[in-house]
Amino acid sequence: GENVEQHPSTLSVQEGDSAVIKCTYSDSASNYFPWYKQELGKRPQLIIDIRSNVGEKKDQRIAVTLNKTAKHFSLHITETQPEDSAVYFCAASRGGGTSYGKLTFGQGTILTVHP
Amino acid sequence: DTGVSQNPRHKITKRGQNVTFRCDPISEHNRLYWYRQTLGQGPEFLTYFQNEAQLEKSRLLSDRFSAERPKGSFSTLEIQRTEQGDSAMYLCASSLGVGKDTQYFGPGTRLTVL
Repeated sequence: GENVEQHPSTLSVQEGDSAVIKCTYSDSASNYFPWYKQELGKRPQLIIDIRSNVGEKKDQRIAVTLNKTAKHFSLHITETQPEDSAVYFCAASRGGGTSYGKLTFGQGTILTVHP
Repeated sequence: DTGVSQNPRHKITKRGQNVTFRCDPISEHNRLYWYRQTLGQGPEFLTYFQNEAQLEKSRLLSDRFSAERPKGSFSTLEIQRTEQGDSAMYLCASSLGVGKDTQYFGPGTRLTVL
């Protein structure tokens, strides 16, 4: 089955700096890669996702890049703000078509943005 | 609130008791997923429904766990003879279906087994 590794496990940055979180996956058939933000005691919330037919996607201060050959994808947050502090999870699935779409998650990254 | 809802939000039970959780997906979402999340870990897939059909179950789901989705709407997850190792957050998610696989999560049910 799919295995997703996420690094780093903790990340501390100063407000205004950039943050990068990296994930690798093992199943070459995976084609959908979402990122979720989870604040303490709350539900995971989708912040951005990317499909395998695209190499990069950007939404304001958040971007995701995908390298299918190397089987890794990364989350980039620019101009970080204290409210970006949370746990971030990457995930992979065989989304679309007749596949099941179950998500395999990474272990999570605790991001702390210091004012 | 038109998002995914789960009840109860918290459940404390004694070892050996049975518990049942409910998930109401977003209206018209065909796919419904159950995940389990322990402290400091990412959610782990438990089972998945396409309408009322349960199409996949994780090896994590022992015989004590059963899930249903009658009529393809809400779903229930039952744990029989609970064990302390069952203590976790149980998350439900839903998606529209084929080609629309973005999953939206509910707030979860936190289970504590004493």
